[in-house]
Amino acid sequence: SQKIEQNSEALNIQEGKTATLTCNYTNYSPAYLQWYRQDPGRGPVFLLLIRENEKEKRKERLKVTFDTTLKQSLFHITASQPADSATYLCVSPWRDSGNTPLVFGKGTRLSVIA
Amino acid sequence: EADIYQTPRYLVIGTGKKITLECSQTMGHDKMYWYQQDPGMELHLIHYSYGVNSTEKGDLSSESTVSRIRTEHFPLTLESARPSHTSQYLCASSEARGGYTGELFFGEGSRLTVL
Repeated sequence: SQKIEQNSEALNIQEGKTATLTCNYTNYSPAYLQWYRQDPGRGPVFLLLIRENEKEKRKERLKVTFDTTLKQSLFHITASQPADSATYLCVSPWRDSGNTPLVFGKGTRLSVIA
Repeated sequence: EADIYQTPRYLVIGTGKKITLECSQTMGHDKMYWYQQDPGMELHLIHYSYGVNSTEKGDLSSESTVSRIRTEHFPLTLESARPSHTSQYLCASSEARGGYTGELFFGEGSRLTVL
């Protein structure tokens, strides 16, 4: 069955460093991926969307890549700050067709240490 | 700030009670969703709707039911609550955009505890 995996449950990094989070998918080919941030007790907030024909997308200190050969997306936060501490979620369409509901990975809990 | 609202934010009820979690959005989105999330765990899609009178089940089986009589309103109902229904329920909406689902806008969530 198709699956989306974020292989790190938690990641601790020093303030100012670049955080890199990984999302892998198996048994299907999503037309796009989205990344969200979730703070404790709150709903997720959208950050970036990247389509399968886009190699890279940027927004301020955020960068996401999409490698359809490796079946992987990487999410980078440069010059990380303690305020970036949160859970980051990789999200994909439920099925190969783009116009389907979105399903979430388990997320990676990022802690940025001052 | 997203224009999607959930009530109640917190609810503690006894086993066997019927409950309805309300979700409303003022963005005119056709697509609406209910996700369930246990503490520290991933979100699971339990119901979705692509428009009025359209509802579908998600990838996680749920004993709850939903209705979509108006575009802006997508309530979730549990006919007889049980302790296993204790969880956070998150409502979301999105635009329909060509060949893909646009970004999801989430409400603040309804945290349900069944004793």
